[in-house]
Amino acid sequence: DAKTTQPTSMDCAEGRAANLPCNHSTISGNEYVYWYRQIHSQGPQYIIHGLKNNETNEMASLIITEDRKSSTLILPHATLRDTAVYYCIVTGTGFQKLVFGTGTRLLVSP
Amino acid sequence: DTGVSQDPRHKITKRGQNVTFRCDPISEHNRLYWYRQTLGQGPEFLTYFQNEAQLEKSRLLSDRFSAERPKGSFSTLEIQRTEQGDSAMYLCASSLRGADEKLFFGSGTQLSVL
Repeated sequence: DAKTTQPTSMDCAEGRAANLPCNHSTISGNEYVYWYRQIHSQGPQYIIHGLKNNETNEMASLIITEDRKSSTLILPHATLRDTAVYYCIVTGTGFQKLVFGTGTRLLVSP
Repeated sequence: DTGVSQDPRHKITKRGQNVTFRCDPISEHNRLYWYRQTLGQGPEFLTYFQNEAQLEKSRLLSDRFSAERPKGSFSTLEIQRTEQGDSAMYLCASSLRGADEKLFFGSGTQLSVL
């Protein structure tokens, strides 16, 4: 599975958009980009995933560059409850032996 | 759908004791995973079941660790002769096999070995 690089931490003001970047320059053609987040004292929570096209769901949007070497997770209106560690993971099809890095610690402040 | 349930939430044990954790996955999910997480790190894959078959084990899973999933429903993870280095959060996740596989995690069991 391709390795990902994320900033260690980011800050965001409540109500503003949070844009979390991820580099995955060694991604191969059949690998997906997944995002999970982990709120303190809880297990990770699935957010969104994509292959080539941009994706949007009720939680977030995922923008994948045309060369697929990087992506951005967008939380359009961050709330205090979005404070968490966000993990960007690249993985192929088949069983999800997810390789978590250390993620980005997002702090949303009032 | 009550989500993935893990029991106990917390376990404190003395070095050398055996411990067992239980995971109840989402009922229709046929895949079940165990991960371990230490402070400040992301979760690390331990093992994976599809139905009752254990299909992959990480080299992190030493001989002291054993996992089962009888009848393809709940799963147990047993650690024998616990060591202080086993102190961690043990996370269980389940999923439905498919192209858009998403893992649903439980809240974990926090193990402290004294």
